[in-house]
Amino acid sequence: GQQLNQSPQSMFIQEGEDVSMNCTSSSIFNTWLWYKQDPGEGPVLLIALYKAGELTSNGRLTAQFGITRKDSFLNISASIPSDVGIYFCAGLQGAQKLVFGQGTRLTINP
Amino acid sequence: EAGVAQSPRYKIIEKRQSVAFWCNPISGHATLYWYQQILGQGPKLLIQFQNNGVVDDSQLPKDRFSAERLKGVDSTLKIQPAKLEDSAVYLCASSDGYRYSGELFFGEGSRLTVL
Repeated sequence: GQQLNQSPQSMFIQEGEDVSMNCTSSSIFNTWLWYKQDPGEGPVLLIALYKAGELTSNGRLTAQFGITRKDSFLNISASIPSDVGIYFCAGLQGAQKLVFGQGTRLTINP
Repeated sequence: EAGVAQSPRYKIIEKRQSVAFWCNPISGHATLYWYQQILGQGPKLLIQFQNNGVVDDSQLPKDRFSAERLKGVDSTLKIQPAKLEDSAVYLCASSDGYRYSGELFFGEGSRLTVL
């Protein structure tokens, strides 16, 4: 099946630093989404991108839908302790098939 | 608005035993999903329902897994018999299904440990 490759797999940063992570695929997707999962919880949608080249912000989060439709990145500015968690990219292919990446685990040192 | 409800939160069984998980989606959501999340991995779709019909069950191991959504509302996922590799969190999610945008609302998950 389709695979989404996220990098890095894990990040260890200081509070206040900016974060950048990305997601690539060999397949084209018509929608890219970024979810965050806290321990013991289900993933929660952060940002959705619907057009190639689209750049969308949600507070301190910024995400872009790659022009080739095969990649996306997520940036977090001025990280805070509650940003800790696992970030998943997800690609929507066809009508309703959503595929998730393997996640980027973010750890923040105070 | 109540979120997606799942039970039980935790279950420990021995291999070859059976287990069932229950999910109640957000009221009015037509589409319901069961995902399997193995530790350290992203969620993998097992089955997707639109109302009470199956849209996609291509990754459901049908020799041991079954799922139903008889009245188009709540759903049950069953594993019988369980194997060690079935240890995972089973996530239920729902979406309104009519303006499909990829936005899924997940429950807290049911963590299964098979010994």
